[in-house]
Amino acid sequence: EIVLTQSPGTLSLSPGERATLSCRASQSVSSNYLAWYQQKPGQAPRLLIYGASSRATGIPDRFSGSGSGTDFTLTISRLEPEDFAVYYCQQYGSPSWTFGQGTNVEIK
Amino acid sequence: QVQLQESGPGLVKPSETLSLTCSVSGGPISGYYWSWIRQPPGKGLEWIGYIYYSGSTNYNPSLRSRVTISIDTSRNQFSLKLSSVTAADTAVYYCARRMGYMYGEDYWGQGTLVTVSS
Repeated sequence: EIVLTQSPGTLSLSPGERATLSCRASQSVSSNYLAWYQQKPGQAPRLLIYGASSRATGIPDRFSGSGSGTDFTLTISRLEPEDFAVYYCQQYGSPSWTFGQGTNVEIK
Repeated sequence: QVQLQESGPGLVKPSETLSLTCSVSGGPISGYYWSWIRQPPGKGLEWIGYIYYSGSTNYNPSLRSRVTISIDTSRNQFSLKLSSVTAADTAVYYCARRMGYMYGEDYWGQGTLVTVSS
């Protein structure tokens, strides 16, 4: 099973700042099959990025994904008030899909 | 607009079987992957498994001995059964759609809380 470790656990930033979230895999993710989700309290997760760098339909271009192999990054170029939430990465390159433990992006 | 809705008992006794159904509306069930994902209160997401519309399945190895996911294309529904539940299975259970293997889960149900308790 591929273990995904997200860092930091909590990111305290102000609106307008840049957020950089990391997701590191315990082994290489095949075909860069890595997705990012945003989850707000009481809501289902929302798909942001798939295939490490492709934005899902309707996702603003301030969200971008990068990386390959074992190291992946989600960048939010300028935080909007609605972006404060928990973010999860998910790998689906191995038969057993796994999620990271999440990064909480909170208002500083 | 595609919508997914989970349904089933909110309370299950220990050692019994948890059964949930996800009803899909606004689009076909054929041609897609359909997943179950859960989230214990205050914790992160755990992938349970998926079923392709053709009926092929893939399960989380840690749950494989207890999980069955099935699909009824005629009713636009798919289901989850988790046997021999314990308190550790208490969670919000989500159903979700994946457009194709390379994509992520793009449509989700609102989630349903299932509590395991006597």
